[in-house]
Amino acid sequence: AQSVTQLDSQVPVFEEAPVELRCNYSSSVSVYLFWYVQYPNQGLQLLLKYLSGSTLVESINGFEAEFNKSQTSFHLRKPSVHISDTAEYFCAVSAEGTYKYIFGTGTRLKVLA
Amino acid sequence: DGGITQSPKYLFRKEGQNVTLSCEQNLNHDAMYWYRQDPGQGLRLIYYSQIVNDFQKGDIAEGYSVSREKKESFPLTVTSAQKNPTAFYLCASSVLAGGVYEQYFGPGTRLTVT
Repeated sequence: AQSVTQLDSQVPVFEEAPVELRCNYSSSVSVYLFWYVQYPNQGLQLLLKYLSGSTLVESINGFEAEFNKSQTSFHLRKPSVHISDTAEYFCAVSAEGTYKYIFGTGTRLKVLA
Repeated sequence: DGGITQSPKYLFRKEGQNVTLSCEQNLNHDAMYWYRQDPGQGLRLIYYSQIVNDFQKGDIAEGYSVSREKKESFPLTVTSAQKNPTAFYLCASSVLAGGVYEQYFGPGTRLTVT
């Protein structure tokens, strides 16, 4: 079985400051890792994913996440946030060959002017 | 435009009534899912379907029912047996891409039961 832990329920940060949203997972089998973003009263949008290969993955809007197998982590980072990044971010894992995802409880990022 | 539609966006019901939430996709995806989202609890899987006329219970299926008569449609019925039905409901579908089933989400339906 897999599990996902997002350690911070809320992260306030000032505009143009860097941010890291933490995600740790546990699994006895190989997994794929995802970050999704949810704006208020909307569905989830895929931000980035790690399947294999390079451990650093990037999104088109400046976010990046690094897969660390030894620490079982997949933290999300952005060097300089904007007001528009205010949203809830979910980390998810999926075991290889399965349909099911396990989601973390989410981290609410609030960017302050 | 390809995508997933959920209707209605907001739904209000009286306690004791069954209610059906609609989910339609035109992405030609085989698999579809229903999740429930509550504040601070993330997404919890209610039901999923890998193929037409087949579906499996997720982690919190009690008080819910689904059908999958067409590839494009996966309606969810919230029955009166569901003890706490007020929540945000998300439908998703998935396609095999690069060895992983990548999930795409609809905009959600917010159900309020009083």
